[in-house]
Amino acid sequence: EPEVTQTPSHQVTQMGQEVILRCVPISNHLYFYWYRQILGQKVEFLVSFYNNEISEKSEIFDDQFSVERPDGSNFTLKIRSTKLEDSAMYFCASVRGGNQPQHFGDGTRLSIL
Amino acid sequence: GESVGLHLPTLSVQEGDNSIINCAYSNSASDYFIWYKQESGKGPQFIIDIRSNMDKRQGQRVTVLLNKTVKHLSLQIAATQPGDSAVYFCADLPHVSNNQFYFGTGTSLTVIP
Repeated sequence: EPEVTQTPSHQVTQMGQEVILRCVPISNHLYFYWYRQILGQKVEFLVSFYNNEISEKSEIFDDQFSVERPDGSNFTLKIRSTKLEDSAMYFCASVRGGNQPQHFGDGTRLSIL
Repeated sequence: GESVGLHLPTLSVQEGDNSIINCAYSNSASDYFIWYKQESGKGPQFIIDIRSNMDKRQGQRVTVLLNKTVKHLSLQIAATQPGDSAVYFCADLPHVSNNQFYFGTGTSLTVIP
């Protein structure tokens, strides 16, 4: 069964550094998402992406965050200048269309030192 | 804003017993709901979904019940097995146009052998 894949599985970065988290969504899916989950807390929506542009973003997704779909397969989340509070699991998800379950990757654990 | 919550943060059941996990949602316009299972170190995994025109849906060993009157959703797991130990959370879709789901905090299910 097709999967959403994320790399790296764990990223350790110094505060203030830029980090790029990578995702390969399922190939025939059209909607792409990034979520964040701080340890022990719920999954929080960051941003959705459709037709090569952001369709929705939350208040968490400030100017330090950006997303890109640089080619036909990758979907990236960039944090420009990381803060300690950015430490969390970051999940990528994709879905073919409306009213269907999103498929999640296994996440990248981001640790900011 | 939208909120989706669960009644109990933890649930322990004996192997072989049935489990019931509950969830409340706040947006009466939500018309699509999903239950996800999240094992340690993994991304959320789709279990079962239900649309608002139904009040019950069954899968393999799982049943979802939807009560739109009180905005309540439950997940029933029959004959719970050790492999069912995980965090379970519900998600709802208030606006199909943006395909943005809202997730609850989760219930941690522990199955006692």
